Amino acid sequence: AQKVTQAQTEISVVEKEDVTLDCVYETRDTTYYLFWYKQPPSGELVFLIRRNSFDEQNEISGRYSWNFQKSTSSFNFTITASQVVDSAVYFCALSGTGANNLFFGTGTRLTVIP
Amino acid sequence: NAGVTQTPKFQVLKTGQSMTLQCAQDMNHNSMYWYRQDPGMGLRLIYYSASEGTTDKGEVPNGYNVSRLNKREFSLRLESAAPSQTSVYFCASTLRGQIIAKNIQYFGAGTRLSVL
Repeated sequence: AQKVTQAQTEISVVEKEDVTLDCVYETRDTTYYLFWYKQPPSGELVFLIRRNSFDEQNEISGRYSWNFQKSTSSFNFTITASQVVDSAVYFCALSGTGANNLFFGTGTRLTVIP
Repeated sequence: NAGVTQTPKFQVLKTGQSMTLQCAQDMNHNSMYWYRQDPGMGLRLIYYSASEGTTDKGEVPNGYNVSRLNKREFSLRLESAAPSQTSVYFCASTLRGQIIAKNIQYFGAGTRLSVL
């Protein structure tokens, strides 16, 4: 069975602070994919990143970075120098082999205070 | 660059009424999905269509039916709406089986449904 846990329900930070969103997953698949999506107040889901299970390299994209650690089954997301536009709900998701449907965590609501 | 288009954006139904949510994608994707989003529960899969002509149940299929009309369109039908089906519904698509596509699902803007 696939499961994604985002223990942080809500986080508030002051603008320019760094913030890390945690994601822990469970799967029995040896090949799987991990994703982060952003849901801004407007409601759409925006794809941020995808990582496959055999690539543990960390990734940086501008102010965003992701830390994938198979040893702890974690795929954490860090925003550096947060901005008000980063305020959104962030979902971590897992896809195994097969139909490729996504298993979502319950999301973390990030509020960046100006 | 339409991507995934869902209609309608908002809908209010009375208990027992029926309706169909429409979804169309123009990215030549083979797989399509319907999810529902409820507060505090993330998104859950209702039905999916791995390829044209096939549909399968997801985690929460009860009370819904789907039709993969063609490669572009995947509709979700509520035959007799119930208050428990009040939710936000998302359609998604991906190019399954193609490494270059990386199994990334692209989502529509959602349909906010209230059942009174």
